[in-house]
Amino acid sequence: EIVLTQSPGTLSLSPGERATLSCRASQSVISTYFAWYQQKPGQAPRLLIYGASSRATGIPDRFSGSGSGTEFTLTISRLEPEDFAVYYCQHYGTSDTFGQGTKVEIK
Amino acid sequence: EVQLVESGGGLAKPGGSLRLSCVASGFSVSHAWMSWVRQAPGKGLEWVGRTKVKSDGGTSEYGAPVKGRFTISRDDSKNIVYLQMNSLKTEDTAVYYCTTEGLASLACLDYWGQGTLVTVSS
Repeated sequence: EIVLTQSPGTLSLSPGERATLSCRASQSVISTYFAWYQQKPGQAPRLLIYGASSRATGIPDRFSGSGSGTEFTLTISRLEPEDFAVYYCQHYGTSDTFGQGTKVEIK
Repeated sequence: EVQLVESGGGLAKPGGSLRLSCVASGFSVSHAWMSWVRQAPGKGLEWVGRTKVKSDGGTSEYGAPVKGRFTISRDDSKNIVYLQMNSLKTEDTAVYYCTTEGLASLACLDYWGQGTLVTVSS
């Protein structure tokens, strides 16, 4: 089973700053099967990025995904107040796995 | 508009059973792989399992913690997906989300319901 490790656990930033979130896989994965989700308190998760770098419908272009092999990155170019949330990476496969999450909080 | 509405959550005793329902609208579940994902209080996301469409064999796959205890099924005529949970354990306490797989975006969980809370306690 593939294990996903996200870093950092918490990211403290101010609105307008750039956020860089990392996700490392325990073995090389196909980029097609890699996604990122956003979850706000009391809400269901929402798909942000699929195929490692494709934005889902309605997702602003300040969100971007990159990476391949075992290293993947979610970048938020300029944080808006509504972007403070928890972000999860996911590998889609026979048995899906999620990272433990990165909380982006207001500094 | 795609919508998923879960129901059936509540309090169950260890060793007991519950059946969750996920009513879909805006698309036909007969054309969609469907998954369940859960989230224990204050914890991260955990994939529970999926059901495939008939054209892909109609089979289901499960995560290790629930294999042999949980069963996912579908009623295409009613546009509903079910999660039958047996032999419940306290560690099954979580919000359970119904999701689509690859309905609009390849190889991901692209639409989510609002979730239903299951509490397993004596």
